[in-house]
This record gives sequence, structure tokens and C-alpha cells, in this order.
Amino acid sequence: GQQLNQSPQSMFIQEGEDVSMNCTSSSIFNTWLWYKQDPGEGPVLLIALYKAGELTSNGRLTAQFGITRKDSFLNISASIPSDVGIYFCAGFILTGGGNKLTFGTGTQLKVEL
Amino acid sequence: DTGVSQNPRHKITKRGQNVTFRCDPISEHNRLYWYRQTLGQGPEFLTYFQNEAQLEKSRLLSDRFSAERPKGSFSTLEIQRTEQGDSAMYLCASSWTSHEQFFGPGTRLTVL
Repeated sequence: GQQLNQSPQSMFIQEGEDVSMNCTSSSIFNTWLWYKQDPGEGPVLLIALYKAGELTSNGRLTAQFGITRKDSFLNISASIPSDVGIYFCAGFILTGGGNKLTFGTGTQLKVEL
Repeated sequence: DTGVSQNPRHKITKRGQNVTFRCDPISEHNRLYWYRQTLGQGPEFLTYFQNEAQLEKSRLLSDRFSAERPKGSFSTLEIQRTEQGDSAMYLCASSWTSHEQFFGPGTRLTVL
């Protein structure tokens, strides 16, 4: 099935650094979501975005809904060890895409102390 | 804890056996979804229920797979005659609206 493209695929950063990752699609979406997944667990919803151009924050996390509706960005400020995990973007479209989320390929974040 | 729960968390079975997984959604959520996730990939949609009605099925859901949600509450996913390619994490999610889906911890299936 279709998966959205996420970059980078993985990143290894120092504690305290800011992190940026993005997600792109060939299709437009009405809603963008960002999830974090720890090993052996299900994805946990971090942020939901509903309007093109929207910028939303959740603590140290900030996400943006791209104005073309085909991309989204996630920033993490001042990373800490518990930020380690895999970050997935997911898109939802009201018509044509049914009721499913289409997920990205994931960005694996590793934090060096 | 009022989140989505899934049982069992892990299942090891031999090829050809049948397996059944259970999902208990968040109680006020009327929508329930099953996804499959293989190593290094994002979750892929399998099927969707609104209350007890199964409204959508992916092409990934072969005829060996069946899902039910008999009373509009918990759901079961059964795989008959398991194959090694069925080895994956099976995730359940629930929601009140279609887009903000909340996931359970998953059931890890290993087919030997």
C-alpha cells in the first residue's frame, strides 16, 4: 500500500539539540498527524493538524501543515533521552481515502547523552 | 487505564494454525480500526468498523483474515491457516472521529 515519504530515515543527535523532520506525499490530505512509537508498543498520538499552513505546538514539539497540503513538518526542541523512538507522520483525507490513515515510513531518532 | 487494550501481546504459532486477537477500544469510541505493521514500516490499514458494521476492508485482508465487532464494543481479528508472511505486529486503534485514532499496544505475531 501507499506510504508517505519521511526524511531523514534516521538521525543521531546530541541531547539538547533541536530536531527537524518532514513528511511528503504525492496526494493532498485534509489532516496530518504525528505519532511516536517506542519498541514493542503502539504509536502514540503527538499532534494533529487540520488546516493548511497551521502551526501547532505540544510542549517541546511543533508541527506544521504544509500550505500545499502535501507535506508536514515536525520540530523537537532541546531533545532529551526520552525522545528516542520512531516518529511517524500520517495523513487522512475525507473523500476517496476512506477512513484509514496513511502512514509514513518513519524517522528513527537516537539521542546521544 | 482507559486506553485501547489488546490481547495477547505476543503470539507464537506454527504455520497452518489459526490465531485470534482481541481489541478493546476506548469505551466512548464508536470507530475501530485494525492495522498491520512489519519491521521497518509504518502501520498499514486492514479494516474499519463503525459500531458493529464493517465498512471498509483493505486488499491486504485476504480471505484467510476475518474481523468482527459483534456488539459494537470489542473486536476480534482471526487469521486462519497462518503463513510465515503473516508475522507482524497487529495494531488496533479506536476513535470518535476518523482522523484522531488512538492505538493499542499491539499483538506481535510470530509464525514459525
